[in-house]
Amino acid sequence: DAKTTQPNSMESNEEEPVHLPCNHSTISGTDYIHWYRQLPSQGPEYVIHGLTSNVNNRMASLAIAEDRKSSTLILHRATLRDAAVYYCILRGSGGATNKLIFGTGTLLAVQP
Amino acid sequence: GAVVSQHPSWVICKSGTSVKIECRSLDFQATTMFWYRQFPKQSLMLMATSNEGSKATYEQGVEKDKFLINHASLTLSTLTVTSAHPEDSSFYICSARAGGIGSYNSPLHFGNGTRLTVT
Repeated sequence: DAKTTQPNSMESNEEEPVHLPCNHSTISGTDYIHWYRQLPSQGPEYVIHGLTSNVNNRMASLAIAEDRKSSTLILHRATLRDAAVYYCILRGSGGATNKLIFGTGTLLAVQP
Repeated sequence: GAVVSQHPSWVICKSGTSVKIECRSLDFQATTMFWYRQFPKQSLMLMATSNEGSKATYEQGVEKDKFLINHASLTLSTLTVTSAHPEDSSFYICSARAGGIGSYNSPLHFGNGTRLTVT
């Protein structure tokens, strides 16, 4: 499975933007980049996903490098409720590679 | 939005007994469900992939006779931990994907997990 590398932890201040990086240098042409987050004692929650172009939704934006070897999840204004572990995951299109394999993620702390 | 309900949210059982955990997709049909386990301060570990109407596919190292998975309908999958032992104590989480062929990259919807404690 193609792997991703994320910082173990990051800190942000409330109301400020947060840029969460993810490296995936071995990404294949058909791998989608997915982001999920997990709040304490809850199941993960889908955030956003993309293939080549940048993506925006109500939760966040996803900026994908032109060579697709890295991406950045952008939270435009962090709130205390955004404190969570954020997982960047590569997901293939085929049956066997369609599974979501979680890495260690980035623990985001948001300071008031 | 799509909702996945998991029941129970927590359970305590004695060593040697079996525990069943249910995972339901409430407002969509889930052809594929995934079962994960998470130990404290660790990431989620995929245990098995459950497809409606067929046998589950287990990840390497996961005992299929210990963790019985049944995906009998498009809205329900169950995980039974048989002959539970204290080392099976963990946070079990299910997820579901809507749609069939062509929806492989649809987002997964997760339940809120079941915390199992085996005494």
